[in-house]
Amino acid sequence: AQKITQTQPGMFVQEKEAVTLDCTYDTSDQSYGLFWYKQPSSGEMIFLIYQGSYDEQNATEGRYSLNFQKARKSANLVISASQLGDSAMYFCAMREFPSGTYKYIFGTGTRLKVLA
Amino acid sequence: DAEITQSPRHKITETGRQVTLACHQTWNHNNMFWYRQDLGHGLRLIHYSYGVQDTNKGEVSDGYSVSRSNTEDLPLTLESAASSQTSVYFCASSADSGPQDEQYFGPGTRLTVT
Repeated sequence: AQKITQTQPGMFVQEKEAVTLDCTYDTSDQSYGLFWYKQPSSGEMIFLIYQGSYDEQNATEGRYSLNFQKARKSANLVISASQLGDSAMYFCAMREFPSGTYKYIFGTGTRLKVLA
Repeated sequence: DAEITQSPRHKITETGRQVTLACHQTWNHNNMFWYRQDLGHGLRLIHYSYGVQDTNKGEVSDGYSVSRSNTEDLPLTLESAASSQTSVYFCASSADSGPQDEQYFGPGTRLTVT
């Protein structure tokens, strides 16, 4: 069964340092997409980055990059040069799309605190 | 600008009452979803719809129902509210143009059942 695992309930990072948030997934499908969302204390869900299962290069969006290791079924989010505004909850999600299915499965999240 | 809205933003209700949470999107997306968010569980899928007149159960659908009469709206009904349904509810929508389609989320509704 499809599953997303985020093993780090909470993490701390010093401002301006890089941090890696872990995400592993389980799927039997060859075709799937991986997403990261940010949820600040205000509560809204903000899309950060996407990685397709057939993409050969790791996705990058500004200070966010996705370390995609397909054989290990991991899709870790790397935030470079952390800022105080990066303090938030981060969710990893997966979407399988066999036969037109569009459901998304979310992990339990990692709460990141950036220290000044 | 296109958006997805939820109402009310906060709701307090009593056990046993019927409650309906509204979700409205102007993205013209076919796919719409309802999630609940609880500490330690992340987002769990309640119901989803791939288009008008289409509805499907998610992993935590007991006690909830939805209907889709148009593209823009997917109201979520709690038939008889229970304290276990105290949660934050998110509505989301997505396009169906390809695997890269991310979900767009509403601001959430905080529901308290007393």
